[in-house]
Amino acid sequence: DAKTTQPNSMESNEEEPVHLPCNHSTISGTDYIHWYRQLPSQGPEYVIHGLTSNVNNRMASLAIAEDRKSSTLILHRATLRDAAVYYCILRSGGTSYGKLTFGQGTILTVHP
Amino acid sequence: GAVVSQHPSRVICKSGTSVKIECRSLDFQATTMFWYRQFPKQSLMLMATSNEGSKATYEQGVEKDKFLINHASLTLSTLTVTSAHPEDSSFYICSAAGRSSYNEQFFGPGTRLTVL
Repeated sequence: DAKTTQPNSMESNEEEPVHLPCNHSTISGTDYIHWYRQLPSQGPEYVIHGLTSNVNNRMASLAIAEDRKSSTLILHRATLRDAAVYYCILRSGGTSYGKLTFGQGTILTVHP
Repeated sequence: GAVVSQHPSRVICKSGTSVKIECRSLDFQATTMFWYRQFPKQSLMLMATSNEGSKATYEQGVEKDKFLINHASLTLSTLTVTSAHPEDSSFYICSAAGRSSYNEQFFGPGTRLTVL
């Protein structure tokens, strides 16, 4: 499985935008870029995913570099409830069941 | 999004006993379910993948005779930790994917297992 590299931790202030980076230099052409987040003592929650184009949904935006070797998850206005571990994961489009391999993720702290 | 439940949410058992954890997809048919384990301050580790009606596929290093997985219906998968020992104490999380939802896995809330 292609690997991703994320900063161990990041901090933000409430109501400010947050840009969470992810490097995936060994990504293959069929790999989807997924983001999940996990709040303390809970199961992960889907945030967003993309393949080549930038994506927006109600939770966040995903900006994918033109060469696809990096991506950035954007939270437009961080709230205290966004404090979580954010995982950037590559999912092979060649598999039929969406197996996910979690890395260490980025711990996001949001200050009031 | 779809809802996945787990039962129990936490369990404490004595060493040597077996524990069964249920994972249910409440509002969709889960053709594939995944079981993960998470130790404190660590990331999720995939243990196995189960497809409805067939045997589970275990990840390397996971003992299939110790962690029994059954996926008998499209809404229920169970993980049984047999002869549990203190080192099996962990947070067990399931996720589910349907035929049209491989782009998004729906995770359960997790089960905290403590083996004394």
